[in-house]
Amino acid sequence: SQKIEQNSEALNIQEGKTATLTCNYTNYSPAYLQWYRQDPGRGPVFLLLIRENEKEKRKERLKVTFDTTLKQSLFHITASQPADSATYLCALLRGSSNTGKLIFGQGTTLQVKP
Amino acid sequence: NAGVTQTPKFQVLKTGQSMTLQCAQDMNHNSMYWYRQDPGMGLRLIYYSASEGTTDKGEVPNGYNVSRLNKREFSLRLESAAPSQTSVYFCASRPNAGAGTGAIDEQFFGPGTRLTVL
Repeated sequence: SQKIEQNSEALNIQEGKTATLTCNYTNYSPAYLQWYRQDPGRGPVFLLLIRENEKEKRKERLKVTFDTTLKQSLFHITASQPADSATYLCALLRGSSNTGKLIFGQGTTLQVKP
Repeated sequence: NAGVTQTPKFQVLKTGQSMTLQCAQDMNHNSMYWYRQDPGMGLRLIYYSASEGTTDKGEVPNGYNVSRLNKREFSLRLESAAPSQTSVYFCASRPNAGAGTGAIDEQFFGPGTRLTVL
């Protein structure tokens, strides 16, 4: 069965630096992969989606890459700010895109220090 | 728009008690989902509904039932709660294909229900 691995250790970086989070998966490459942000006590919020035929996607200070050979996605936040501190979840489409069923990683917590 | 709303926010049950978690969305979405989130486990899909009157099992459906009586509401029922069902429960919805949102595959999550079973 499909499994997703995100670094369970918290990532601590200094304000202004680039944060890079990793999402690795096993088995088949999904039709698309998504990244969500989750703040303590809140529900996840969608950030970006990247499809299997896309290498890279950008949105403001966010960039996502998708390498189907390595079975890996990287999530970058450039010029990081303390407000970027949160847990970031990677999610893969499970099966048909008609259902939208997702498999989530356990998330990586990012702490940006001023 | 309120988006996705969930009630209650917190609940404490004793083993064997039953309860229903309520979820509603006002975005006219067809697809709705129930997840549970446990420390170190990530979000796991319990049940999914593609449209009113249809439901399908997810990864961890045992011990739960769902009901999609109309397009807005999708409820999750625990018939006989067990300590293993202590978790945070999230409801989500997804835009319809061709809705013109440009991001039909993203999911919108509610604020969650924190359930403790003693």
